[in-house]
Amino acid sequence: QVQLQQWGAGLLKPSETLSLSCAVYGGSFSGNYWSWIRQSPGKGLEWIGEISHGGSTDYNPSLKSRVTISVDTSKKQFSLKLTSVTAADTAVYYCAIRWYNHSPFDPWGQGTLVTVSS
Amino acid sequence: EIVLTQSPGTLSLSPGERATLSCRASQSISRSYLAWYQQKPGQAPRLLIYGASSRPIGIPDRFSGSGSGTDFTLTISRLEPEDFAVYYCQQYGSSPWTFGQGTKVEIK
Repeated sequence: QVQLQQWGAGLLKPSETLSLSCAVYGGSFSGNYWSWIRQSPGKGLEWIGEISHGGSTDYNPSLKSRVTISVDTSKKQFSLKLTSVTAADTAVYYCAIRWYNHSPFDPWGQGTLVTVSS
Repeated sequence: EIVLTQSPGTLSLSPGERATLSCRASQSISRSYLAWYQQKPGQAPRLLIYGASSRPIGIPDRFSGSGSGTDFTLTISRLEPEDFAVYYCQQYGSSPWTFGQGTKVEIK
């Protein structure tokens, strides 16, 4: 059974860069889409973007200018960077997998609370 | 982007009762690429239904999904104590993938 374990800094100052990573355990690391999703009280669940097994990325237009998602297949990890954060980026961030094109998110990581405050 | 609107916002029911949750899309979702998730406090969402009506292995059959096009429904036939949670719909037919705002099922 595939499990995701995520980590990263939980407290940032405005204008800093958010950096999170997610490791995949217990399953294949090929043919997937590796995604990041965030959840805030004000905006609910928001898909941030994803990277495919082929290395192509797809980002939410609302965040596209600030987001980079990358993958390290040798380590079975993928990562999120979000630049120039503000208080509006305060949220719980989740990593998740989609197994093929047009598939839902399953499973999800445990979530990381990221707070942006001066 | 496809906007998903869930109703009601909160559903107050007793254990054993039937719950009916609605998800309406701003445009037709291709091939019923619609999922439902359950989220409990402090936990990540859990996939309950995909393809509008299919259950992953391990999801109890009291959970069922139906609908197509722009109107979808999640039904919980008889609420168990562990079913009181927040439920989200999500479309994966057209990027950006989007979620509804959630329906909270609370104990009456």
